[in-house]
Amino acid sequence: DVKVTQSSRYLVKRTGEKVFLECVQDMDHENMFWYRQDPGLGLRLIYFSYDVKMKEKGDIPEGYSVSREKKERFSLILESASTNQTSMYLCASRTGTSRTDTQYFGPGTRLTVL
Amino acid sequence: QKEVEQNSGPLSVPEGAIASLNCTYSDRGSQSFFWYRQYSGKSPELIMFIYSNGDKEDGRFTAQLNKASQYVSLLIRDSQPSDSATYLCAVKGGGSYIPTFGRGTSLIVHP
Repeated sequence: DVKVTQSSRYLVKRTGEKVFLECVQDMDHENMFWYRQDPGLGLRLIYFSYDVKMKEKGDIPEGYSVSREKKERFSLILESASTNQTSMYLCASRTGTSRTDTQYFGPGTRLTVL
Repeated sequence: QKEVEQNSGPLSVPEGAIASLNCTYSDRGSQSFFWYRQYSGKSPELIMFIYSNGDKEDGRFTAQLNKASQYVSLLIRDSQPSDSATYLCAVKGGGSYIPTFGRGTSLIVHP
C-alpha cells in the first residue's frame, strides 16, 4: 500500500514564525503536491513538484515556499506565518501522469496560527 | 479555467437506500475521473477511478461516466451510516500532473 506521512497532525504557531511542514512518501512517486483545505473553499493547490529539485506554483503560492531535495520528501515552508494561513494542509503523491495514475493523500496537518 | 462542479448538499438518504452523487466538469479533454471519500477531520481517501464511458463497479460503489454530457456520478448501494462523509470528485486531463477537484458533496445516511 502507498504510504504518505506528514510530520505533524496538529501544529500551533505564532504569527511571524517560520513553519516547516514535512511530507514523506514511500512508493518512489515522481509527483508530490501540497494543498490547503478550508471550509467552503475546497482543496486548493499551493505547490507541486514533478521531480527532485523541480517545483511549480499552484493556485495559491503566495506566502509559501517548497523544497524537494530527495524524491521521497517534499517540504512546505511558511516563511512568516500569518493568521490567514490557519488551515488543514494536505500532502499528496502520485506516480506520473498516465490516466490510471492516482493521487494518494497523507493524513493532513491542522495548523493554527495565533 | 477548468471547473468541476458538485452540489454541496447535504444529501440525506435512509440506511439501505441508493445514494447518487453527481459531478460535472468543463474541460472536454479530461480523461481520468476520481472519487474520494473524506470523513470529517480526515484526509481524502480514494474510492475509485474511471476513464472509459459507462459503468465501473466495485463492491457497493458504481462510478458512471458520460463524456458526451461531461458528467460523472457515484452510486452507493445499500448505504450505511458509515458512508456518511464528504465525497470529492476529481478530474484530470491527459498528460497533466494536476487534477482539478470539486468542492465535495456531503452525504448523510440516517438509520
